[in-house]
Amino acid sequence: GENVEQHPSTLSVQEGDSAVIKCTYSDSASNYFPWYKQELGKGPQLIIDIRSNVGEKKDQRIAVTLNKTAKHFSLHITETQPEDSAVYFCAASKGNTGFQKLVFGTGTRLLVSP
Amino acid sequence: DTEVTQTPKHLVMGMTNKKSLKCEQHMGHRAMYWYKQKAKKPPELMFVYSYEKLSINESVPSRFSPECPNSSLLNLHLHALQPEDSALYLCASSQDGSSDGETQYFGPGTRLLVL
Repeated sequence: GENVEQHPSTLSVQEGDSAVIKCTYSDSASNYFPWYKQELGKGPQLIIDIRSNVGEKKDQRIAVTLNKTAKHFSLHITETQPEDSAVYFCAASKGNTGFQKLVFGTGTRLLVSP
Repeated sequence: DTEVTQTPKHLVMGMTNKKSLKCEQHMGHRAMYWYKQKAKKPPELMFVYSYEKLSINESVPSRFSPECPNSSLLNLHLHALQPEDSALYLCASSQDGSSDGETQYFGPGTRLLVL
């Protein structure tokens, strides 16, 4: 089955710096890669996603890149703000089984210091 | 509206109690999910319903019993739980579970403590 690795497990940056979180996946059939942000005491919230027919996607300060050959994808946050502090999860899934199952990475705790 | 609601927010129960977790969405989604999340871990899939039918059971112990009374509601009935079942239980929904790249929307979760 699919296995998703995520690094780093913790990331501390100063406000205004950029943050990069990286994930690798094992199943070359995976074709959908969402990123979720989870704040303390809340459920995961989708912040951006990318499909396998696209190499990069950007939404304001957030961007995701996908390298299908290397089977890795990354989240880039620019101009970080204290409110970006949270746990970020990457995930991968494939839809060709008749059902879409998300497999999550282990999470990255991002701390943005003022 | 992309909201999934869950009740209660917190639940404390003894090992002999019977309780239920509830989830509701009004996005017209036909796939609904239960996940379990332990502290500092990612969510783990437990059950999936598609069109009110159980599609996936990830080998979950029978002390957890899901129910999907209609397309908007999802319940998780709990009975004879163990302390190790203490966790955040998350509900999610998506369009119908069969399309590539469906976004799953999560609720805020129910934090369960089993004493």
